[in-house]
This record gives sequence, C-alpha cells and structure tokens, in this order.
Amino acid sequence: DGGITQSPKYLFRKEGQNVTLSCEQNLNHDAMYWYRQDPGQGLRLIYYSQIVNDFQKGDIAEGYSVSREKKESFPLTVTSAQKNPTAFYLCASSIWSQNIYGYTFGSGTRLTVV
Amino acid sequence: QKEVEQDPGPLSVPEGAIVSLNCTYSNSAFQYFMWYRQYSRKGPELLMYTYSSGNKEDGRFTAQVDKSSKYISLFIRDSQPSDSATYLCAMSEEQGAQKLVFGQGTRLTINP
Repeated sequence: DGGITQSPKYLFRKEGQNVTLSCEQNLNHDAMYWYRQDPGQGLRLIYYSQIVNDFQKGDIAEGYSVSREKKESFPLTVTSAQKNPTAFYLCASSIWSQNIYGYTFGSGTRLTVV
Repeated sequence: QKEVEQDPGPLSVPEGAIVSLNCTYSNSAFQYFMWYRQYSRKGPELLMYTYSSGNKEDGRFTAQVDKSSKYISLFIRDSQPSDSATYLCAMSEEQGAQKLVFGQGTRLTINP
C-alpha cells in the first residue's frame, strides 16, 4: 500500500538535545512538507521541499532543519535552538503540479521535552 | 488577524443532527478549498475538495464556498458517532501552489 510513514510515533527529548523525526513516502510524490500542530493553533508550516536537494522555510522554521537527499525521504531535525518543541509533528506529501489531490499526511510524531 | 479563521469549538451534537462547520478567510486570491478530517492522534485525511464558488456533495457531506463573503462551510447530514473528529479547512491560491493555509480546526463530538 502506498502512503507516508512517520517514525517514531512518540519521542522524548531532553533539554539541549537534537532529535530527528523520520518521514518516508512511497507515493512518488514530488513535494513534501513538515507541519507542527499545537492545540487551538491548527497546522503551521515548518519546511517544505518541491524537489530533491531543495527546500524552503515555512512560517516557523527557526530551530528546525531538514534535508532532502532522496525523493522518498524528508527528515526533520528539532535542534536545541527550538525553545518550545513539545508538539505533534505531521509530515505530508503531494503532487506539486496538481493541488486538486491535496496532501497525504502521515500519522504524526508526538514529541515531548522531558 | 489570521489568514483563515475557524472556530475551534468544541462542538457537541446528538446523533442524527445536521452539523455545520465554517471558516472565514481574508485572502481573496484563494481559489481551492478543502476540508480535512483528523481523528485523535492521527494525521488529517482529505474529505472534500472544492474549486471556486459553489456546492459539492458527497454522500452525507456537502461543501459550500461563497467567495463573495469569503466564507466556506461543511455540512454533515445524519451525523454518526464515527464522525467525531477534528475538522480542518484548508485553502490555496493556485493549483500549482502547494502551500496550503489551514484553519485551526473544529473539534466535533457526536453523542449516541
């Protein structure tokens, strides 16, 4: 079955640590996205990538970094510079030229700072 | 002011009721409108897609877009407990512009 796989489902981070969230898709989608979801604030765009080896900052990129070395993979690193990282992180993908199909989302990673 | 406004609820209705969920927006360039459904601790899934103004019906769900008022709605008829979820509206300016703007989401509970 085609889809997006996010791992891990739950992640705990100590203060000052960097952590990496995995996102893999087998839909052959060009574009991939990372969103952060907080209660009452909806989805906020962190980074997105249209093609391999290229990515753009979203609305809340500070304290995050990404890479896009393969079409299928778009990992997100939450660095120690992100002061309030506890949130639900969602990865999505889409066909860049056809918005009509919308996004396909993964099941999310819940990150908690301990 | 946020580009897309959506009442976060929570909204609680009895089974069988008609549910109305709404979003308002400020960007008159938005042309593509979507509704996503998100169950607890899951990723959102696309429920309805509408281009420009008008209505679209799919089973018990109807999406309406009124561009003159910058207002979109999702109606759920004969609501079921399985419809209990968070509903997010989303919109974008162009077909090729993939940066969707999401509302805050409305948390809906259907009581048996």
